[in-house]
Amino acid sequence: EAGVAQSPRYKIIEKRQSVAFWCNPISGHATLYWYQQILGQGPKLLIQFQNNGVVDDSQLPKDRFSAERLKGVDSTLKIQPAKLEDSAVYLCASSFELGISQETQYFGPGTRLLVL
Amino acid sequence: AQSVTQLGSHVSVSEGALVLLRCNYSSSVPPYLFWYVQYPNQGLQLLLKYTSAATLVKGINGFEAEFKKSETSFHLTKPSAHMSDAAEYFCAVSELGAQKLVFGQGTRLTINP
Repeated sequence: EAGVAQSPRYKIIEKRQSVAFWCNPISGHATLYWYQQILGQGPKLLIQFQNNGVVDDSQLPKDRFSAERLKGVDSTLKIQPAKLEDSAVYLCASSFELGISQETQYFGPGTRLLVL
Repeated sequence: AQSVTQLGSHVSVSEGALVLLRCNYSSSVPPYLFWYVQYPNQGLQLLLKYTSAATLVKGINGFEAEFKKSETSFHLTKPSAHMSDAAEYFCAVSELGAQKLVFGQGTRLTINP
């Protein structure tokens, strides 16, 4: 079974530029998550989708971050314009069941973003 | 609100020694608890999870963790460390009705030969 795919793996941009990350979850997984992991910290949830609807985006900086999950499959996360503090690893995860709290989340390898 | 505290950002043990990584949680309702491992330049991989079925949970690679409600703890242990265990370990909590995971800050485990 293929895992969660993410691209690109690395990205370097200058502040005020825009950037987009792509995620393809495990086939059949209804729930998709985007996490931000700043160096030395644990991942922090940015947004959670169930199929193509948003469940939780309470920690997404909506003035600069946006995300979509068209057709309930793959997803893109965009930052525009980027700030220095956005330098982090962006992790995508997916899980099979809807609304099951103990469901295992499967993580992709992440996209490492450096904003100069 | 849920929170997780991992005691010790960096733990170093000798190969063959006991591994003990500490995790304490704060939750207003009975939680679900997870331990994930992250190897360099990789995503997180589930080691084990507590879902109220049994307080002693066995996971992959010889790891286990014990849920202690009275101590609000979920410490991770392994009897004998192996060089391949060197990685970052994250404890996480979720609550009934919320799939959102709240992670601790992580503990970097180093194994000395």
